[in-house]
Amino acid sequence: DVKVTQSSRYLVKRTGEKVFLECVQDMDHENMFWYRQDPGLGLRLIYFSYDVKMKEKGDIPEGYSVSREKKERFSLILESASTNQTSMYLCASSLDSVGGGYTFGSGTRLTVV
Amino acid sequence: GDSVTQMEGPVTLSEEAFLTINCTYTATGYPSLFWYVQYPGEGLQLLLKATKADDKGSNKGFEATYRKETTSFHLEKGSVQVSDSAVYFCALSETSGSRLTFGEGTQLTVNP
Repeated sequence: DVKVTQSSRYLVKRTGEKVFLECVQDMDHENMFWYRQDPGLGLRLIYFSYDVKMKEKGDIPEGYSVSREKKERFSLILESASTNQTSMYLCASSLDSVGGGYTFGSGTRLTVV
Repeated sequence: GDSVTQMEGPVTLSEEAFLTINCTYTATGYPSLFWYVQYPGEGLQLLLKATKADDKGSNKGFEATYRKETTSFHLEKGSVQVSDSAVYFCALSETSGSRLTFGEGTQLTVNP
């Protein structure tokens, strides 16, 4: 089975800090995605990537950036953390095939204080 | 743009009750449709999928049929268990490997 691993389950950071959320997948998937999940708002796409060194903005990219230097790793960066970025962050990967669906990581619950 | 609408939750049922969670979608083409489940404290897991009209996806006793004429993909289970308590998300993707568009999720609680 494909595994998507997020480096931290829980994280507490201070306002203004630069935060790195790491995601690694082990099955050579081309596509990787970062979502945030908030009560009442469902899942919202932040950034995604179809290939190494490529990135595309999702629906809510403001305040975030990403890095994909290797195919298996997709990092989400909060340039200057703010309290409104307190959320559950979910990473996912997928094959480039019709109907393939996503494999998700377990999520990182980030609290910014 | 694409969108997915799920029935509002939360839904509370007794064990062995029949479950339906409604999902309708709007898409420009012929999307693939998915149901994902999120158990407490975990990420999302693919529950079932259907890639063309009239396909039926099934897994763990859950079923959903891709209805193009009503643009729907309702999730059903004949007899729910306490262990089915989770959040269920309906989703679609338009093209190969493309981004998924999710519904807002429906919280299901099954009481013994």
